[in-house]
Order: sequence, then structure tokens, then C-alpha cells
Amino acid sequence: EPEVTQTPSHQVTQMGQEVILRCVPISNHLYFYWYRQILGQKVEFLVSFYNNEISEKSEIFDDQFSVERPDGSNFTLKIRSTKLEDSAMYFCASSELQGPYNEQFFGPGTRLTVL
Amino acid sequence: AQSVAQPEDQVNVAEGNPLTVKCTYSVSGNPYLFWYVQYPNRGLQFLLKYITGDNLVKGSYGFEAEFNKSQTSFHLKKPSALVSDSALYFCAVRVTSNAGNMLTFGGGTRLMVKP
Repeated sequence: EPEVTQTPSHQVTQMGQEVILRCVPISNHLYFYWYRQILGQKVEFLVSFYNNEISEKSEIFDDQFSVERPDGSNFTLKIRSTKLEDSAMYFCASSELQGPYNEQFFGPGTRLTVL
Repeated sequence: AQSVAQPEDQVNVAEGNPLTVKCTYSVSGNPYLFWYVQYPNRGLQFLLKYITGDNLVKGSYGFEAEFNKSQTSFHLKKPSALVSDSALYFCAVRVTSNAGNMLTFGGGTRLMVKP
């Protein structure tokens, strides 16, 4: 069964450093998402992406965040200058179709620790 | 704004007994409701969804959920719990925005099934 994969599983970085989190969505999916979950808190939407454009973003997704689909398979989330409060589990998701009734398939997550 | 509440942080049930994990929602517009399960070190796995039609929806692993519009609830149920059902369960709601169709998650409920 096809799965969304994410690398690395755990990333430790120093405050102020740039990090890139990588995701490989399911191959025939066209819609991509990033969510994050701070320890003990809810899963929160960050951004959705389609046709090489951001289609929606939350208030969390400020100028220090960016997303990119650099090739036909990868989908990345970049945090330019990490802060302590960026420490969280970051989940990538993809869906085949748009429309509110189409389920999203999630990867296992990358745990980001900012020191 | 849309929101989801899962009033119980943890639900304990004996194996073989029925289980219920509660979810209530608040949206303006038609809700599309989802349940996801998260096993340790795994991503969120889709269980079931309500779009329209029959208020009782059936999903993976013998789970079902009942949509109740008047009570704005979407409780997850299973007639006979298994120890392997022990996991973290998330309810989510989706409402069409201009684009992107972000998911809004509840805080999660940890289900513990004891032998």
C-alpha cells in the first residue's frame, strides 16, 4: 500500500539555524499539506500546496516558513531561522483530489527539536 | 471559525467491551468529519469519514461513527474492543474554504484497551 514518507524522523538543530524537512507524497496525489503538533497540543494546519502554489496557509505559516516541490516526488518545508517554539512534530500529508470529502494521507512525521 | 472538541483525554475499556470516543464540532456550513488513528511512531491513519447521507458510517478495523447534526457530534464506536485498538484517536472537521480545505483537529483521545 502506498505511503507518505518523511525524512529525517528526528532533527535536532540550534536556534537560528535553517532546517529543511522532506516529504515524499503518494505518487499520484496532487495536493500536499504540512501540519505540526507541539507536544501535548493539537495537530495544527500550516499550509496546503497545489500546482506549485500555496493554496491556503494558517497564521502560523509566517515569513520564516516556505514550501517547495523541487522535483516530481519531493515536497519540502523550510524553516529559515528556527526558534525554540518551532520544536514540534511536523506531519506531511497528501490527497489525490481536492474537495472537502477527500481524505488526506499522513506521513509518520519529523520530530524537530530546537535547542 | 471551525473547531473540534474531544472531551476525554483518555478512555479505558476492557477487551471485548464496546467503546465510544467522543467528538463534538462547531462549524458554519456543512461539516465533513473524519476520524484518524495514530499508533506509536506512525503517522495519522484514516479510519472513516462522514460526508452526507446515512448518519452511521463504517470504517476500517470494525470502527463506526454516528453523525448527529442536532448534537453536533460525531462519536467513534466499536462493538467489541481489542487490545490492538489501543492508540491515539483524532477527530477532524473540514469545511470548504476558497481553496485548500484544511483539516481542523481535536486534541486527541488516548484509548487504552486492557486484556
